[in-house]
Amino acid sequence: QLQLQESGPGLVKPSETLSLTCNVSGASITSRSHYWGWIRQPPGKGLEWIGTIYYSGSPYYNPSLKSRVTMSVDASKNQFSLRLNSVTAADTALYFCARSYASSDYFDPWGQGALVTVSS
Amino acid sequence: EIVLTQSPATLSLSPGERATLSCRASQSIGTYLAWYQQKPGQSPRLLIFDAVNTVTGIPPRFRGRGSGTDFTLSISSLEPEDFGVYYCQQRSTSLTFGGGTKVEI
Repeated sequence: QLQLQESGPGLVKPSETLSLTCNVSGASITSRSHYWGWIRQPPGKGLEWIGTIYYSGSPYYNPSLKSRVTMSVDASKNQFSLRLNSVTAADTALYFCARSYASSDYFDPWGQGALVTVSS
Repeated sequence: EIVLTQSPATLSLSPGERATLSCRASQSIGTYLAWYQQKPGQSPRLLIFDAVNTVTGIPPRFRGRGSGTDFTLSISSLEPEDFGVYYCQQRSTSLTFGGGTKVEI
């Protein structure tokens, strides 16, 4: 059964870089049928797509975050990662990783989420 | 950016009642719309994709309709486990989510 688990620091200082990793188990990240994504949810608020990556292709990002986001895949570890630089308090959120539903840009399943707080 | 507007913000209903949720897009998105359910403390779960297709394992009481700019999610008879927040998401141009509709008892 596919499982996704986010990991990374829960506290990041303003202006620094947020780094998260999503460990994938129960499926190969090199699957030709799926993409991998990051979505975030500020406390008590709605969902915001961050970006999507295919194991062998170029990632694509939310235009509003594009200048600060980098996503990558490590096939040897069956995981993918998110880096968001120059963070501010507005980046405080629950960060989810997810797999695409088939070859679409919908997501299912999702990881349980990792709360990242931006504060000095 | 395509903006998705969900209404109402909150829907107060009782078990057994019918729920109708709306999602309106700022421009036509064809049928490139999905619906998710999120329960408190849980991650979202995909219910409907491409506007009208139900994900395997989702009960038939969930039904998606619409195309273009106007979409609805109907729950024919609410079960206690259906209460939570529902989000729509479009994939026509980039990806955006609606603000959510809370279905509460």
